Amino acid sequence: NAGVTQTPKFRVLKTGQSMTLLCAQDMNHEYMYWYRQDPGMGLRLIHYSVGEGTTAKGEVPDGYNVSRLKKQNFLLGLESAAPSQTSVYFCASRFRGGSYGELFFGEGSRLTVL
Amino acid sequence: QKEVEQDPGPLSVPEGAIVSLNCTYSNSAFQYFMWYRQYSRKGPELLMYTYSSGNKEDGRFTAQVDKSSKYISLFIRDSQPSDSATYLCAMSRRDNDYKLSFGAGTTVTVRA
Repeated sequence: NAGVTQTPKFRVLKTGQSMTLLCAQDMNHEYMYWYRQDPGMGLRLIHYSVGEGTTAKGEVPDGYNVSRLKKQNFLLGLESAAPSQTSVYFCASRFRGGSYGELFFGEGSRLTVL
Repeated sequence: QKEVEQDPGPLSVPEGAIVSLNCTYSNSAFQYFMWYRQYSRKGPELLMYTYSSGNKEDGRFTAQVDKSSKYISLFIRDSQPSDSATYLCAMSRRDNDYKLSFGAGTTVTVRA
């Protein structure tokens, strides 16, 4: 059982380049999330989706775009990368009917922007 | 002010010691309280959750919630080197669809 899979696991970009992070889950979860984790800041929500074809902004959405064309996939895009976007990105998912919001996380994607 | 405050540590203890972790929060509407454990270079995974005030025990782990003080704690008894990880508190409420608010995480090292 793969759970939540993120690709790529590591990436180095130059300022201004674009890239897409892919998240795939095989648990048939309705909700999917993208977080970034920085030292001392904890996990901050970038964007999330409550179902196929839907997306919504989180706490720190600027500079990122997302798409949820298929229920099992959630893509995070950086159109013009900036050094401030150097971070570890985590995708997470959960059932809509979960009683308290337990999230299942991927292993993370480490992005460095030079 | 952050909605959830957690001392990032780091915390270093000898094997067998009791580890005490805590978080404070500002929004009294939170109803569900969780602790996630994150090993180095891995994603967080749920360790324990509690609903409203009270204690919950699971093996060597005890979670406490004091809603009147807006304070939650996690205790690890007889700590082991395998407990070395970052521990993140998280909380949610029904009226915003259980969107989690996380603390910054406390990094714990248990020395053999």
